[in-house]
This record gives sequence, C-alpha cells and structure tokens, in this order.
Amino acid sequence: EVQLVESGGGLVQPGRSLRLSCVVSGFRFDDYAMHWVRLTPRKGLEWVSRITYNGGDTDYADSVEGRFTISRDNAKNSLYLQMNSLRPEDTALYYCAKSHSSGGRDYFDYWGQGTLVTVSS
Amino acid sequence: DIQMTQSPSTLSASVGDRVTITCRASQSIGKWLAWYQQKPGKAPNLLISKASTLENGVPSRFSGSGSGTEFTLTISSLQPDDFATYYCQQCSYSPWTFGQGTKVEIK
Repeated sequence: EVQLVESGGGLVQPGRSLRLSCVVSGFRFDDYAMHWVRLTPRKGLEWVSRITYNGGDTDYADSVEGRFTISRDNAKNSLYLQMNSLRPEDTALYYCAKSHSSGGRDYFDYWGQGTLVTVSS
Repeated sequence: DIQMTQSPSTLSASVGDRVTITCRASQSIGKWLAWYQQKPGKAPNLLISKASTLENGVPSRFSGSGSGTEFTLTISSLQPDDFATYYCQQCSYSPWTFGQGTKVEIK
C-alpha cells in the first residue's frame, strides 16, 4: 500500500522558517519525481515545487522561488521542503504528492493527508 | 505560465443528474490534463489522466474528453458519493497549474 506522511507544519511568525518532511512507503521512491502542492480556501490547489527522481532537477512556483528549497533523501524514502522568509500568504495545507513518472509531464497519482502551515504574528 | 479556467465554479445538481465540468487552457497542452476529486478534510484523488484515461478503481460513470485547450469531465449519473470539489491540472509544462475548482453541491 502506498503511503505518504507529511510532518513539520505549525504556527510560525512572518519572516521565520519551517521545514516540512514527507516519509513514503509502498513504492520505489527513487524511481519517481515528487512534488509539494498546497491548498488554500482562496486559491484552491496550488503547485509549489518539484524534484526529479534523483534530485538532479528542481522547479518552483514563482510565488516561492528563492525562499523555498525542495530536497530528497532516497536512502531514507523522504522528501523535504525548507521554507524560509515565510509570509502570511504561505498559510496553507501542504501536501506531498507522488508523480506518475521520474520527472517530465507530471500528474499526481498519490497524495499525503497534508500538514498545516499557518504564518501569523 | 499556462492559466487553467474551470466552469462553473459551483454546480448544484441532484442524484442521477448528468454533470459536465469544463476546463480551458490558455494555450494548447495536447492531452496532458488530469482531473482530481477532493472531499473536505481529504487528500485529492486522481480520477483521470491524459484527458481521458480513467484511473484504476474510479467508477465508469466518470469520463473525460478533449484536447488542445478545451476539456470536459462528465459524471453520467451523479451519486451521493460524488458531491465534492473537482480540479483540473495541466501536466504539460512547468509550472504545473490547476483550475480554480468546481464545487458540486446537492440541489
């Protein structure tokens, strides 16, 4: 059974940092690209970042470019999102999502349950 | 960036109704479109990939069609379990973008 379990969310002040983690099981992690996608009441689903199967390539939404860093540890079946200089508009439920491929034209065939990030003073 | 526009934003329907949701892309994406269903408090669930390929375990009352810039998701006979929010997503180019969502409500 495929499982993705996120952690690391919480309440943080604007300008501070937070690191999200996602531990996966049930599939060969190092064969697939992985993504972070967030959900807000105002915007709905918003893609945040992608990392290819071997970590060799990363992509970011313009809204987080330069502030967020995606990474992975294939030995630990883990995906990470380092979020710096957080803003109130980053408040969202953050999902870890598995790509159907190693990295290309990506859609998301499995999702975690999400971890809530709230940015507020 | 490719903009994805879904319509309608909200849809009120009854059990047994045929329901159609439209998704338009700001430029051609071929058949690189996915549809997801999301219920409150749950993760999104992939229904359809590559515009018309039904994922394993998805009921056959769901179908997708289209190519280029215009796509549709159809539910042939709405069931109680189908009341949810539906999103389209273009998977052709980064940044991968979603439509704003269509909430299917009970009439």
